[in-house]
Amino acid sequence: DSGVTQTPKHLITATGQRVTLRCSPRSGDLSVYWYQQSLDQGLQFLIQYYNGEERAKGNILERFSAQQFPDLHSELNLSSLELGDSALYFCASSVASAGVTEAFFGQGTRLTVV
Amino acid sequence: QQPVQSPQAVILREGEDAVINCSSSKALYSVHWYRQKHGEAPIFLMILLKGGEQKGHDKISASFNEKKQQSSLYLTASQLSYSGTYFCGSILSGSARQLTFGSGTQLTVLP
Repeated sequence: DSGVTQTPKHLITATGQRVTLRCSPRSGDLSVYWYQQSLDQGLQFLIQYYNGEERAKGNILERFSAQQFPDLHSELNLSSLELGDSALYFCASSVASAGVTEAFFGQGTRLTVV
Repeated sequence: QQPVQSPQAVILREGEDAVINCSSSKALYSVHWYRQKHGEAPIFLMILLKGGEQKGHDKISASFNEKKQQSSLYLTASQLSYSGTYFCGSILSGSARQLTFGSGTQLTVLP
């Protein structure tokens, strides 16, 4: 158990809908990262937050948004869902902003858009 | 900028050695190595911060050549449990410190 909690574990929704994925980082970790992993593909970086502020942005679609709250948990909002958004979404957390400490991954949320 | 990993896939017998390479076209601040089993979360293996630094984790070690912007992961005397997909993650110098992963190397260890 990495200490990073993601909910829900599985999510099935229809095209056009909106969903929210939640991530609770390890105790003491200030940095949260979101990644998208499509079937048997690599980890695509979406966005990073550090202590409530956005620090880096990757190839995140405009239909996607995220935020990190004062208690450091983070939410990833996906709207106007398309079939191609079906993927495993990982959240990871680390103590530092990035670079010098390891990132711990949650078990992921498997999103299926039908 | 996504690092480039090679090879894409490796199949070996238990006890054999393997090397996975990771390179970047831009200056690296650090390199991270992770292993992922199918359907599971990636597990951290090691971070390399300085040029020429080599780290070890059981029979898995890695090096980082800062001048060439390359890192290599060495798996010695492979065990069945080493099977999985290995990802190198890079953080570029001077960047916003986003951790970007390569496309992965699928390693299969056969008995």
